[in-house]
Amino acid sequence: EADIYQTPRYLVIGTGKKITLECSQTMGHDKMYWYQQDPGMELHLIHYSYGVNSTEKGDLSSESTVSRIRTEHFPLTLESARPSHTSQYLCASSGPLYEQYFGPGTRLTVT
Amino acid sequence: GQNIDQPTEMTATEGAIVQINCTYQTSGFNGLFWYQQHAGEAPTFLSYNVLDGLEEKGRFSSFLSRSKGYSYLLLKELQMKDSASYLCAVRDYAGKSTFGDGTTLTVKP
Repeated sequence: EADIYQTPRYLVIGTGKKITLECSQTMGHDKMYWYQQDPGMELHLIHYSYGVNSTEKGDLSSESTVSRIRTEHFPLTLESARPSHTSQYLCASSGPLYEQYFGPGTRLTVT
Repeated sequence: GQNIDQPTEMTATEGAIVQINCTYQTSGFNGLFWYQQHAGEAPTFLSYNVLDGLEEKGRFSSFLSRSKGYSYLLLKELQMKDSASYLCAVRDYAGKSTFGDGTTLTVKP
């Protein structure tokens, strides 16, 4: 079982602020992902990485950016938060079969 | 791309058996996953099928037919804690997974 951590778990922030959502995993997985999910709705892939210095945009257009400087760390940054960014953000990493292990999520509210 | 269909909601009785279906249309299939997601929590990995047939893991089994683009998740001896959303996800050759919208299962006493 993968150990994957996200901080903060909950964040309430004002419009226009810059925020970084942290994600770390201790399993040495090369592949990591960021999803956005509203309550009761489907998962939307917003970014993924297949290794250090490799990042790709996902299926859902997002105003966020990501970086992958270290294998275990995959932070997501919003340069200027807006109320439309209010959602749950889930980070995942995948094992040898590409099965995904999810972090607990960050619930973001932008006021 | 991938197109995945699952029923939106299902209801079953505690102790019973329930089958959750998933059909998919894909331009490059390389495996199918099932995940369980309780309300307010992150998804957890349940099963993986890449070859045709049935994979059994305790009370949960998953079946795949690649020629029909069809999978099901079978839950036996249902418990109240099995009330959750069940997500079908298809993996492409690049390793990227596309998730279905999920089936919300409600288990009643």
